[in-house]
Amino acid sequence: DVKVTQSSRYLVKRTGEKVFLECVQDMDHENMFWYRQDPGLGLRLIYFSYDVKMKEKGDIPEGYSVSREKKERFSLILESASTNQTSMYLCATGPPGTQYFGPGTRLTVL
Amino acid sequence: GENVEQHPSTLSVQEGDSAVIKCTYSDSASNYFPWYKQELGKRPQLIIDIRSNVGEKKDQRIAVTLNKTAKHFSLHITETQPEDSAVYFCAASTNQAGTALIFGKGTTLSVSS
Repeated sequence: DVKVTQSSRYLVKRTGEKVFLECVQDMDHENMFWYRQDPGLGLRLIYFSYDVKMKEKGDIPEGYSVSREKKERFSLILESASTNQTSMYLCATGPPGTQYFGPGTRLTVL
Repeated sequence: GENVEQHPSTLSVQEGDSAVIKCTYSDSASNYFPWYKQELGKRPQLIIDIRSNVGEKKDQRIAVTLNKTAKHFSLHITETQPEDSAVYFCAASTNQAGTALIFGKGTTLSVSS
């Protein structure tokens, strides 16, 4: 089974803080993805990466950046957290077309 | 880019009834259409998928159909059970390296006994 882990299940931060969410996969997949999930809006793609040091913007990249220094690790960075970034963040990985999700990080920005 | 529309947003059925969820997509280059199920408090899990060279695929009580001409695909669940209650997401992609799945907004299915 593919194992995808995320650094925190729950996180509370203050407005303006820099926030790091980390995702690690153990299956040597090239592709890694970050989504946010909000009620009624489904899963929206923030950024994805198809190789080390490569990144592509998804549908909602504003306010976020990413880092992929090693193949197994993909980090999502909120440069200056805002209350509208309170959400569930899901990391995913897998071969082209197939995605295995991590358990998610519930981020609250106060 | 790809856009995936999913309907209905909520669906309530009685145990034993059938449930149908429909999705449409915009990019004619998309050729891979998976469905994910997300139970409350859990991560989305792949339950079934279909590729563009196939019109229908079945796996026990669930089936997917694809109409490439009309650019729509559907999930059918027969003999629904309470454990089918979950949020279901459809998605589409070109299934190539360097591309991502684009998801619909989800359907909350409630099966009452």
